[in-house]
Amino acid sequence: QVQLVESGGGVVQPGRSLRVSCAASGFTFSNHGMHWVRQAPGKGLEWVAVIWSDGSNKYYTDSVKGRFTISRDNSKNTLYLQMNSLRAEDTALYYCASSEEDGPLESWGQGTLVTVSS
Amino acid sequence: EIVMTQSPATLSVSPGERATLSCRASQSVSSNLAWYQQKPGQAPRLLIHGASTRATGIPARFSGSGSGAEFTLTISSLQSEDFAVYYCQQYNNWPQTFGQGTRVEIK
Repeated sequence: QVQLVESGGGVVQPGRSLRVSCAASGFTFSNHGMHWVRQAPGKGLEWVAVIWSDGSNKYYTDSVKGRFTISRDNSKNTLYLQMNSLRAEDTALYYCASSEEDGPLESWGQGTLVTVSS
Repeated sequence: EIVMTQSPATLSVSPGERATLSCRASQSVSSNLAWYQQKPGQAPRLLIHGASTRATGIPARFSGSGSGAEFTLTISSLQSEDFAVYYCQQYNNWPQTFGQGTRVEIK
């Protein structure tokens, strides 16, 4: 049974950094692309970033380019999102999701809440 | 970036009736289109991929159609558990993008 468990969310001041994680189990993590998708309170879904199964390719939405970095450790079955220079508009529930490289998002975690506020 | 536009924003339907949701892309995404269902307090769930292929475990009352830039999700006979928000997503180009969602509510 596929399980994705996000952690590391919290309240952070604007301009500061935070790293969120996603622990995967129940499937061959190293064979799947992994994504971050966020959802601001009461709003829709926004795709954030992807990393391919071997880490060879990464793509980001424009609003986070240069500030966020997606990475993975296949030996630990864990996905990361390093978020720097955080802004109020980054406040959201951050979901991790798995895919067949550049395919649809097949499995989702329950999310970790990041709140950027002074 | 490809902009995905869903209509209507809200759809009021009685249980047992058919619901038809639309999704339009600002340029062709071929058949690289997925639909997701999200219920309050829950993560999204993949319903349809490849524009028309149901994901594992999805009931046959859910069907998808279309290609290029125009897509439709049809729920043939709405059940109580189907009242939710539905999102389309293109995965043909980077960045992947979602529509703004259609809320299906009880009439």
